[in-house]
Amino acid sequence: QKEVEQNSGPLSVPEGAIASLNCTYSDRVSQSFFWYRQYSGKSPELIMSIYSNGDKEDGRFTAQLNKASQYVSLLIRDSQPSDSATYLCAVNPSSTGGGNKLTFGTGTQLKVEL
Amino acid sequence: DVKVTQSSRYLVKRTGEKVFLECVQDMDHENMFWYRQDPGLGLRLIYFSYDVKMKEKGDIPEGYSVSREKKERFSLILESASTNQTSMYLCASSGSGGGQPQHFGDGTRLSIL
Repeated sequence: QKEVEQNSGPLSVPEGAIASLNCTYSDRVSQSFFWYRQYSGKSPELIMSIYSNGDKEDGRFTAQLNKASQYVSLLIRDSQPSDSATYLCAVNPSSTGGGNKLTFGTGTQLKVEL
Repeated sequence: DVKVTQSSRYLVKRTGEKVFLECVQDMDHENMFWYRQDPGLGLRLIYFSYDVKMKEKGDIPEGYSVSREKKERFSLILESASTNQTSMYLCASSGSGGGQPQHFGDGTRLSIL
């Protein structure tokens, strides 16, 4: 079983719609969760961090965390073609010890269509 | 803003060469990481360092070594480059303390011929 799982997609949504990206993780006591956006040929860019259960909003982005169900999601409202990218979910597992290692999912490709 | 700078965006080397990839961060971060990213395989951790002169193996350290002589600089070394090391290499850094995110450099696309 992969430690962090994401549907690889592609997830296609029309412009202006809400895109919903999901991620599940296996380490029950994980504490820190991150979403990165990666455009083709570019490096990952941090867009959201979330540490406690519930929702966290930042502009058009909302991260949702449910530790009991071990999933974290990212909602993108009013999706734009510029949101077309691969979205990586990253988790700081409890077993990493020092160094703030992250475990990454393989990413979900999002396509926003005109 | 955190700035992580990788020395080259594109690099072409020959098999058997010793290859150096350099990474510098300007945020006084304790932790630095080297990943490679290949289609379908995601990000794989090669090595990381949580302090000067300290290093730990990641998931795929074979064929690589690292050096961290100064806090801001973390170097990845391919001892004898092989074609299966053709990949995108990404450096990242993070602060100490729990829950810190990692910040990535622009990446080096390395081709071994």
